[in-house]
Parts: sequence; structure tokens; C-alpha cells
Amino acid sequence: QVQLQQWGAGLLKPSETLSLTCAVYGGSFSAYYWSWIRQPPGKGLEWIGEINHSGGTNYNWSLKSRVTILIDTSKNQISLKLSSVMAADTAVYYCARARSFDYWGQGTLVTVSS
Amino acid sequence: QSVLTQPPSASGTPGQRVTISCSGSSSNIGRNYVHWYQQLPGAAPKLLIFRNNQRPSGVPDRFSGSKSDTSASLAISGLRSEDEAAYHCAAWDDSLNGRVFGGGTKLTVL
Repeated sequence: QVQLQQWGAGLLKPSETLSLTCAVYGGSFSAYYWSWIRQPPGKGLEWIGEINHSGGTNYNWSLKSRVTILIDTSKNQISLKLSSVMAADTAVYYCARARSFDYWGQGTLVTVSS
Repeated sequence: QSVLTQPPSASGTPGQRVTISCSGSSSNIGRNYVHWYQQLPGAAPKLLIFRNNQRPSGVPDRFSGSKSDTSASLAISGLRSEDEAAYHCAAWDDSLNGRVFGGGTKLTVL
């Protein structure tokens, strides 16, 4: 049974850095791409970026200047950092497995407010 | 503004068949697989259809997907009240070198 468990700070001030971690339990960690996806309240899904086991990344061009996705294969974890956050970054953030997103984390609500 | 276009809402009565469309372009749906997700209220999305028309284990065969040129569709037959959810389509976009989503369709079971 594959499980993705994520955590991180839920309340940030503008200009701070968002930091989230996603731990993977079960299944193969190195065989897949791992993505971060977000969903602003009441809106659709937005892909943030992905990483493979070698550390190769692809990012959403609109967020690329502020995003860093890292992988720790020793802990089966991926992490997301989004710098200089603003109110528009308020969203539920999800981690997901593979390019088909076959497994998802439970989601973390991140609110950016002064 | 989403790269893939879905109708914002759809509805049907129990037992009915409904379809949800997802329109894209040659750089995304035209060249790559389409995946569909079901998102129940307050929950994370769940993979419903992958690679255009494949169902993961455990997904009822009431759900089916298809693709033609630059458009894709999700069909739900024998509609049930528990199908009331948001449905999202996604595909890889070669021009953007990234994953793109539709805006999501909220399905109401009347």
C-alpha cells in the first residue's frame, strides 16, 4: 500500500519561504517522478513541478524563478520550497506520484497573510 | 486561465449517462496521454482514468475515457449520487514542457 504523507508550515507572511515535505511509504521510490500540485480555494489544480530519483527537475514556467524541488532518496522524501510568497500562493498543496499522479498526499493548506 | 478547457459544470439524474469534455491543442492532448481525476468535496484528487482510457484497479467500469485529436472525454454511465464531485483532466504539454490541467468540472447529481 503506497502512502504519501506531507507536512509543513500552514501560515506564512508575504515574502517568506514556503517549505513542505512529502514522505513516501510503500512501493518503489526511485522508479517514479514525484510532483507538487496546488489548488487555490475554490479553483482548479495547478502543477508546480516534478523531480526524478536522479534529481532531474521540470518546473511550471510561471513559478520557475521561485520554486525548488529536492529529493532525499535515503529517506524516501521530496520537498518543496517556494520563495517570496504572496497572497496568490494561498492554496492546498499536494504531492503526487508518477506522471499519471496515481497516488496523492493528503494535502496541506498554506495561507499567506500579513 | 487553464490550458485545457473543461465546462465548469455538468449535471444528470441517477442512472443517466453524462460526458465531460476536455479540449486542448496539438502540443498537449494532440500528442500526449490524457488523465482524469475525481475530487470529492474536501478530499485529495483520485486517479480515475489514465493513458486516455485505462482504469486503475478498483475504479468501476461505469467510468470510461476517450480521446480524439485534441479533445478528450470522460463518460459516466449509470450515474449515482456518490459521483457528485469535481472532475479534472490533465496532460503533458510539449511546448510548455510541463503538466497542464483543465479548470475542473463540478458534476451535480440531481
